Amino acid sequence: DAKTTQPNSMESNEEEPVHLPCNHSTISGTDYIHWYRQLPSQGPEYVIHGLTSNVNNRMASLAIAEDRKSSTLILHRATLRDAAVYYCIGRGGTSYGKLTFGQGTILTVHP
Amino acid sequence: DAGITQSPRYKITETGRQVTLMCHQTWSHSYMFWYRQDLGHGLRLIYYSAAADITDKGEVPDGYVVSRSKTENFPLTLESATRSQTSVYFCASSGPGQPQHFGDGTRLSIL
Repeated sequence: DAKTTQPNSMESNEEEPVHLPCNHSTISGTDYIHWYRQLPSQGPEYVIHGLTSNVNNRMASLAIAEDRKSSTLILHRATLRDAAVYYCIGRGGTSYGKLTFGQGTILTVHP
Repeated sequence: DAGITQSPRYKITETGRQVTLMCHQTWSHSYMFWYRQDLGHGLRLIYYSAAADITDKGEVPDGYVVSRSKTENFPLTLESATRSQTSVYFCASSGPGQPQHFGDGTRLSIL
């Protein structure tokens, strides 16, 4: 799996967009970028994943740099419920789905 | 209801005792995983399974035993619990190439 680097923490205000960065300079051409988040006292939950192009779903958008050495998770309008630890994971297609979690980014959302 | 359930949610035991944590999923996912989460270490993979009767070690397997006689169940056993195994344990499941779905975790304290 590719090594990823994320800021330890970020803050946002409610209803404002949030851009969570992730560096993955050692990523291989077949590694997908996955994002999970973990709300307090809960297990992680899947947010989004992508390979080369930008991806959107009901929860968030994922912007992947052209050289694939970095990506950004975008929450378009943060809510208090989005306060969580966000994990960026680079996972190879042949790893049987195993995920290697780093420390993640603690997102605080202010009312 | 469909989903992944872990039991018990909380467990206190003593060193040297055998403890089994249960994980049950209703999606018929082929892959199942056990992680532990400790402060300062994030989530670490203990064991995983690609199908019934197929299991393999993750990052921190020592002191743990798993089995998978049925697709829907993936119990984790601590054969002789030690204080260092005090942690929050998460079970997850996924289909091939699909995101992982996590349970709510088991908080295990070993006195």
